[in-house]
Amino acid sequence: QKEVEQNSGPLSVPEGAIASLNCTYSDRVSQSFFWYRQYSGKSPELIMSIYSNGDKEDGRFTAQLNKASQYVSLLIRDSQPSDSATYLCAVNMPLNAGGTSYGKLTFGQGTILTVHP
Amino acid sequence: EAGVAQSPRYKIIEKRQSVAFWCNPISGHATLYWYQQILGQGPKLLIQFQNNGVVDDSQLPKDRFSAERLKGVDSTLKIQPAKLEDSAVYLCASSLEGILNTEAFFGQGTRLTVV
Repeated sequence: QKEVEQNSGPLSVPEGAIASLNCTYSDRVSQSFFWYRQYSGKSPELIMSIYSNGDKEDGRFTAQLNKASQYVSLLIRDSQPSDSATYLCAVNMPLNAGGTSYGKLTFGQGTILTVHP
Repeated sequence: EAGVAQSPRYKIIEKRQSVAFWCNPISGHATLYWYQQILGQGPKLLIQFQNNGVVDDSQLPKDRFSAERLKGVDSTLKIQPAKLEDSAVYLCASSLEGILNTEAFFGQGTRLTVV
């Protein structure tokens, strides 16, 4: 089982629609979760972080976290063609080293989103 | 605030040659990550440093890859000898601390092609 799983897509939505991206993770004790956007040929860019159950909204983006189901999602409202990119889910998994707890940032394979006019 | 700096941006080498990549993290960031991203896949963590100590290198192919962060600031990742399957983008990222609720920021990456 992969540590972080995403549907690779591609997910195609019309301009103005809601895009829904999903992610599941295997380590039940994971505590922090991130969504990155990656345009073709570019490096990942952080767009959302979420640490507690429920919803977190930032502009057109809403991240949702359900730790009991080990599930995190990203909703993009009023999708624009400029939102077309690969969306990477990342989970900070606890890692103990030398008696100190660290976070090991593990990524899913990404979901390709295409927003067509 | 300056971002994560990486060099070179592109590198083409023949198989069995060696190559080195350099990364300078955001000022004050204690944690530095090296990721390998093969085309069409998500980033795979190779090694994570906390200051100048290694926190995790479980996915680093130690027979050919090495990395160091001697003064707890900048870092180098080396491949020797390179194989065709090492063709990928090598991404460096940094965060304030490596604890659980900190955000990581990426450099522009180095695209390696092994021929």
